[in-house]
Amino acid sequence: AQTVTQSQPEMSVQEAETVTLSCTYDTSESDYYLFWYKQPPSRQMILVIRQEAYKQQNATENRFSVNFQKAAKSFSLKISDSQLGDAAMYFCAYEGGARQLTFGSGTQLTVLP
Amino acid sequence: EAQVTQNPRYLITVTGKKLTVTCSQNMNHEYMSWYRQDPGLGLRQIYYSMNVEVTDKGDVPEGYKVSRKEKRNFPLILESPSPNQTSLYFCASSLGTETNYGYTFGSGTRLTVV
Repeated sequence: AQTVTQSQPEMSVQEAETVTLSCTYDTSESDYYLFWYKQPPSRQMILVIRQEAYKQQNATENRFSVNFQKAAKSFSLKISDSQLGDAAMYFCAYEGGARQLTFGSGTQLTVLP
Repeated sequence: EAQVTQNPRYLITVTGKKLTVTCSQNMNHEYMSWYRQDPGLGLRQIYYSMNVEVTDKGDVPEGYKVSRKEKRNFPLILESPSPNQTSLYFCASSLGTETNYGYTFGSGTRLTVV
């Protein structure tokens, strides 16, 4: 079974600074998807960014980008120019051929004014 | 508006009293699933459905049932709830094609079993 590990339960960043959230995963599959989801206090799950494993190019969505290292099974999220609205729980997630979405335990991000 | 609708948003019930949490999507998505979220554990999949009348167990199916009689609806049934099923529940859907653009989640159901 696949596992997803987020080793940072909590992180903080100063407003306008950059922060990187870590995620590693374990799989024997070669074709899969990786996601970062954001959960603000409203508890809504919001898709931040997705990465297809067969694409070597790192995904980017405005201030959010990933560092995808397939050989190392690492998928970190970088948030640039952090804003107060970025404060949330962030979940890394893996989906393989079985269409089963496996989540990490989450990283609580605090943005300091 | 494209969305996944879950009801109720909050529910307090007693041990053993059957309950159903409804989930409906208006995007014609083939794939639907249920998750529970517990502190320190992230979200864990309970059941999923690839299409009408096709359901399968996720990681934590014990104590839960689902059905998929229509494409848009995927209710979660707890026939005899117990306190260890106190959790935050999410329904999600996706298009189900080989190219996965991610999942759309409902707003969550906070369930407390006393």
